[in-house]
Formats: sequence, C-alpha cells, structure tokens
Amino acid sequence: SQQGEEDPQALSIQEGENATMNCSYKTSINNLQWYRQNSGRGLVHLILIRSNEREKHSGRLRVTLDTSKKSSSLLITASRAADTASYFCATAQSYSGAGSYQLTFGKGTKLSVIP
Amino acid sequence: DSGVTQTPKHLITATGQRVTLRCSPRSGDLSVYWYQQSLDQGLQFLIQYYNGEERAKGNILERFSAQQFPDLHSELNLSSLELGDSALYFCASSVLGTAGEQFFGPGTRLTVL
Repeated sequence: SQQGEEDPQALSIQEGENATMNCSYKTSINNLQWYRQNSGRGLVHLILIRSNEREKHSGRLRVTLDTSKKSSSLLITASRAADTASYFCATAQSYSGAGSYQLTFGKGTKLSVIP
Repeated sequence: DSGVTQTPKHLITATGQRVTLRCSPRSGDLSVYWYQQSLDQGLQFLIQYYNGEERAKGNILERFSAQQFPDLHSELNLSSLELGDSALYFCASSVLGTAGEQFFGPGTRLTVL
C-alpha cells in the first residue's frame, strides 16, 4: 500500500519558474526522503529530512516537513529543462531490530520543464 | 552512477517461466533492498536483506524469493510468471542502521509474454 501520496500527479512549468510538489503520508515516520527518477532509470536520492526537522535546503531544493499534518513539500527554484523527471517522496518506517526499516514510496509527480 | 549494478537490463520471457535477477550493492553496503515498479502499483518494496539475512518483508508474492550471498550480491527469483509480473525491478543498497538514503541500481525491465 502507498504511504506517501504526491500532489500534483503532473506539473508543467516554464524554465526559470519554481516547482512545488507536495506529499502526504499516513503513519509516523523516522524520516522522509525525496527521490528523482528520469524516465525508466534508477531513482536518485535528493534530500532527507528527519522527523524532528521542519525545513532543509540543498542547492536549489527546499524541503519542508509538517508532522502534525503528515505532509511535506519539495520546492525546486529556478527550474531547468534538465529537472524534467518524476519526483517521489518516500517515508522511512522502522521495523523491530536494528537496521530493519523500509521506504514506502508515493506514486510520484511528473515534472516537465519547458525550455 | 550509484555504484549498484543489476543484470540483466532487459528480460523477456513467457508465462509460467522462472527468472533470476541479480544485484551487486555498492562497495561496503551490507543492506540490499528489492523493489518492483509498475504503472498501476507504483514503486513497491519487496524485501530487505542485511549481511545475508532477511530483515524486512514488504509486498512480496509467495512466487518470489530472494537471497543474499556471502559476497553480498543478491538475487531475486521470480517463478510461475504471470503477465502482471511485467515491471521494472530495482535493487538498492544502503549503510545499515541509518534509515538513510538508498542507492538504486539501473533496474531490470521484465516483460512476460
């Protein structure tokens, strides 16, 4: 079952504009991560925000986390054509036992950046 | 390049057959994860291994099994294949105990005809 649900499912913007994607989840988490996937390729980790953090920055990426609302957002500033990809949020939940956890992915937001 | 390798890149087979997908994790990573990505189900966690032992299980069918060998490479075995098993299968690896980022391989695209 899906834990994270991204919104919108698809987003089309002009180069230079900002792109905002949202993610909602249902259960308590250790952390929330955002990944990027170019068509048919492997996922690439972008950024991780822990459950006790509210905001994190990495280059042109800004992630926020609101655990009371069980939601997160990913902002990509000054978008480029090369940012065209699918973006997934993934929530990390622990299993019992050290090092046992799983990532549960949403269905992703497909971002198209038009040159 | 994530450092995770998967073979083969593409696999075409028939219903009822059995296939084996192989994954080599990044050097030093002890944990291996398998995921299935399909259009209707999205990216689904299947199973996690750590240093040869199963650690977590997700939505893995009984027809599917996995193992991790002493050299830390892992294999995912899919048997009695059905049309609905057609998907991209990803392997990922990570450092144990951090609940941190996972490094994904390029995937194996399985087509069941």
